[in-house]
Amino acid sequence: AQSVAQPEDQVNVAEGNPLTVKCTYSVSGNPYLFWYVQYPNRGLQFLLKYITGDNLVKGSYGFEAEFNKSQTSFHLKKPSALVSDSALYFCAVSAFSSYKLIFGSGTRLLVRP
Amino acid sequence: NAGVTQTPKFQVLKTGQSMTLQCAQDMNHNSMYWYRQDPGMGLRLIYYSASEGTTDKGEVPNGYNVSRLNKREFSLRLESAAPSQTSVYFCASSPKGDRGPSGGPSTDTQYFGPGTRLTVL
Repeated sequence: AQSVAQPEDQVNVAEGNPLTVKCTYSVSGNPYLFWYVQYPNRGLQFLLKYITGDNLVKGSYGFEAEFNKSQTSFHLKKPSALVSDSALYFCAVSAFSSYKLIFGSGTRLLVRP
Repeated sequence: NAGVTQTPKFQVLKTGQSMTLQCAQDMNHNSMYWYRQDPGMGLRLIYYSASEGTTDKGEVPNGYNVSRLNKREFSLRLESAAPSQTSVYFCASSPKGDRGPSGGPSTDTQYFGPGTRLTVL
């Protein structure tokens, strides 16, 4: 069965510092991994995804994520955080030929000025 | 393009009442989805539709029905609302329908609507 774990309910970081939001997954076969962001009272917005190829994936708003097959992780990173990055971040996984996208419980990112 | 639209934005029901949540997309996508979002649980798939005329159960289908009216519209119906159905409901769509050799919708980006906040008293 597919599953996603986001071990931190909240991540706090100062503006200008690097940020990491953690995600680990479990899936049969090759994983397809996604990051979405949700701003208050809004729907989810796509940030980036890993399907195949280069383990470092670059996405919107300066975010990137690194796929690590041996550690079954797909951590979201940004070199320099902005206050406007404060939001709820969701990691999700899908398996080949599946319609089901399984989401983690979400991590709230708070960037303080 | 408006993308994915949902109506209503907010709704309060009494236990036992029925209602239909509407969703439409103007991106010519094949697949559409209904999720519910509850605190600390992420999003959970209720139903999905791979193409017009087909629907399938997701993780938490009990208490819900869906209709894929045409390629654009996918509605979610609560026949007899219960307090446990208090949640935020999101509709989403993605381009692919058939699974195919490339993995089909599993590799697609899903595009989400703004959500419907439902309270059942």
